[in-house]
Amino acid sequence: GNSVTQMEGPVTLSEEAFLTINCTYTATGYPSLFWYVQYPGEGLQLLLKATKADDKGSNKGFEATYRKETTSFHLEKGSVQVSDSAVYFCALIGQGGSEKLVFGKGMKLTVNP
Amino acid sequence: NAGVMQNPRHLVRRRGQEARLRCSPMKGHSHVYWYRQLPEEGLKFMVYLQKENIIDESGMPKERFSAEFPKEGPSILRIQQVVRGDSAAYFCASSPRDRGPYGYTFGSGTRLTVV
Repeated sequence: GNSVTQMEGPVTLSEEAFLTINCTYTATGYPSLFWYVQYPGEGLQLLLKATKADDKGSNKGFEATYRKETTSFHLEKGSVQVSDSAVYFCALIGQGGSEKLVFGKGMKLTVNP
Repeated sequence: NAGVMQNPRHLVRRRGQEARLRCSPMKGHSHVYWYRQLPEEGLKFMVYLQKENIIDESGMPKERFSAEFPKEGPSILRIQQVVRGDSAAYFCASSPRDRGPYGYTFGSGTRLTVV
């Protein structure tokens, strides 16, 4: 079945540091890929997505590129802020009109001033 | 335009009691999804409902769990005779008819603790 493996935390960074959160997936065909963010006490929010190979999703300074050859969708940000402290989830929807998101375990990021 | 409303935010139940979790979708959203997040785990799909219909319940435990989305009112996830292993965060998402999972909006979740 489909699955997502993402880098486990928790991770603590200083403000303005570079961030990479690794995410790889297992799926048949061409899934759609997502990054969700969960701020403390809130629900999940869609951060960015990519629906086909080589697409790059971007939002709020975060980027991720859909790499079919390495089945990866790593999240990056060049300079993190304290307000980026949250839990980040990588997820996919399988090809063929599935209604289900398959999530990774999530990674908690803390950014210190 | 209120988002997806879940209540209660926190729920404590003793073993053997019933837990009822409510989800009011965003206005205009006709699809509701429930996910469960166990400690140290990612979210796992439980059930997908449209008004008065269960479309996919492949992620629901076979016993004690049920879900409904009536014509009027919120969607309800019901857990009968709760056990400690049911302690988790339960998230609801809703979506417009023509967006499916690409249009998910998540609620803030209900954190169930079974003591």
